[in-house]
Amino acid sequence: AQSVTQLDSQVPVFEEAPVELRCNYSSSVSVYLFWYVQYPNQGLQLLLKYLSGSTLVKGINGFEAEFNKSQTSFHLRKPSVHISDTAEYFCAVRRGTGFQKLVFGTGTRLLVSP
Amino acid sequence: DAGVIQSPRHEVTEMGQEVTLRCKPISGHNSLFWYRQTMMRGLELLIYFNNNVPIDDSGMPEDRFSAKMPNASFSTLKIQPSEPRDSAVYFCASRAPGGGVQQETQYFGPGTRLLVL
Repeated sequence: AQSVTQLDSQVPVFEEAPVELRCNYSSSVSVYLFWYVQYPNQGLQLLLKYLSGSTLVKGINGFEAEFNKSQTSFHLRKPSVHISDTAEYFCAVRRGTGFQKLVFGTGTRLLVSP
Repeated sequence: DAGVIQSPRHEVTEMGQEVTLRCKPISGHNSLFWYRQTMMRGLELLIYFNNNVPIDDSGMPEDRFSAKMPNASFSTLKIQPSEPRDSAVYFCASRAPGGGVQQETQYFGPGTRLLVL
């Protein structure tokens, strides 16, 4: 079974600083990887996803993530964060084909301060 | 499009009462997911439906929980009887047809915040 680990429960950062949110996965088969964001009092929305091809994936709001198969990682990055990026970020993994479910990590709370 | 609609947005009830949460998926979507989010356990998948049929209910905590999807535009999650440990935010999400990874974008509703006293 696949699983996702987000080691950092909270990441404080100053506005305009770069940020990296870490995600590692475990699976014995090929996987597809996702980052979702949850703003306060809202549901989750998709930031980006890796399906195949280029290992560098660009998403909405200036975020990007890099798939690293050898390190089984899919870290999320942004070169310069804004106050409005304050939210909870979830990494998720899904196996191959068919009606496979998403397995979410425990989330990382990004706190951007002025 | 109105997105995924959930009702009620907030529910406060007493232990032992029946609670019914409702979800209307995005029109045209044929997969529907119920999640529960708590501080202790994070985001957990409870059950998901495809074409109104439950495909995986292994996340349903116990017999007190039941979910139905009588048609493509409506689903309910029922807790009977409710307990304080059921307090959580319950999300509904839907997904477009296909089942393949290209369609793997789940659209979440705003959630129902449940408090069982």
